[in-house]
Amino acid sequence: QSVLTQPPSASGTPGQRVTISCSGGSSNIGSNIVNWYQQLPGTAPKLLIYSNNQRPSGVPDRFSGSKSGTSASLAISGLQSEDEADYYCAAWDDSVNNWVFGGGTKLTVL
Amino acid sequence: QLQLQESDPGLVKPSETLSLTCTVSGGSISSSDYYWGWIRQPPGKGLECIGSIYYTGSSYYNPSLRSRVTFSVDTSKNQFSLKLSSVTAADTAVYYCAKVQQLVKWLDPWGQGTLVTVSS
Repeated sequence: QSVLTQPPSASGTPGQRVTISCSGGSSNIGSNIVNWYQQLPGTAPKLLIYSNNQRPSGVPDRFSGSKSGTSASLAISGLQSEDEADYYCAAWDDSVNNWVFGGGTKLTVL
Repeated sequence: QLQLQESDPGLVKPSETLSLTCTVSGGSISSSDYYWGWIRQPPGKGLECIGSIYYTGSSYYNPSLRSRVTFSVDTSKNQFSLKLSSVTAADTAVYYCAKVQQLVKWLDPWGQGTLVTVSS
C-alpha cells in the first residue's frame, strides 16, 4: 500500500491529452513539493517534473505538472507512442522523514 | 555531469547481509546541497525509499526498514553504501542509488540500478 495514491493505469490515443492524478496528505504533498518520474521498461526512473511544475532540461513541454492542496497531477498533451511508460509521483513526508512514492501508473498509448 | 553507479552483489542468501556501494562520478559527494539516497523496486512493483545519508553520516531511514539498515559514506572514494541485514525473499528487488537535492526537494540523477536476488 503506497502512501501516495495513483490510478494503476491510464491510456490514450496518439495526439490526445492524458492526466494522471496523485493524492496524498498534509504531511507529504500538503507541505512539500511534488516530483514526477517516468520509468521506461527496464530502465531507471527519470525525473520528469520537479518542484510541482518545473521541467528539467530536455523534457518536452508536452509534459506539465500541477499541485493543489494534498493532490497533484501530471498532464501529457500530444500523446506519443514513446510516452508509454510507468509514471510515479513522489514527495518528502514530514511524518516519517522519508521519501514516499505513488504506486505508479502504467500509461498505454493505444 | 554527475553519474551514479551501484555495485553488483547479485545473489544473497536468506538471513545474510546485503551490501551495496554507490560510486559517484562527475561531482563531489561532499557537496553541502546533496543527500544520497537508496531506493528499491521489487520485480513488477513500485518504488520504495530505503533512506538517505549526508556526507557527514547524518541519515534518515524508512521506519519499516530502520532496524535492518546501515548507511555509510566514504568521502575519500566518493562512495556511499547500504547494508541490509537478515534478508528474506521479500528483499529481492532492483536497488537504485540517487542524488537527493537538499534532502526534501527531488531525487536526480539515479544510478542504473542493480538486481539483488535473495535465494538459497
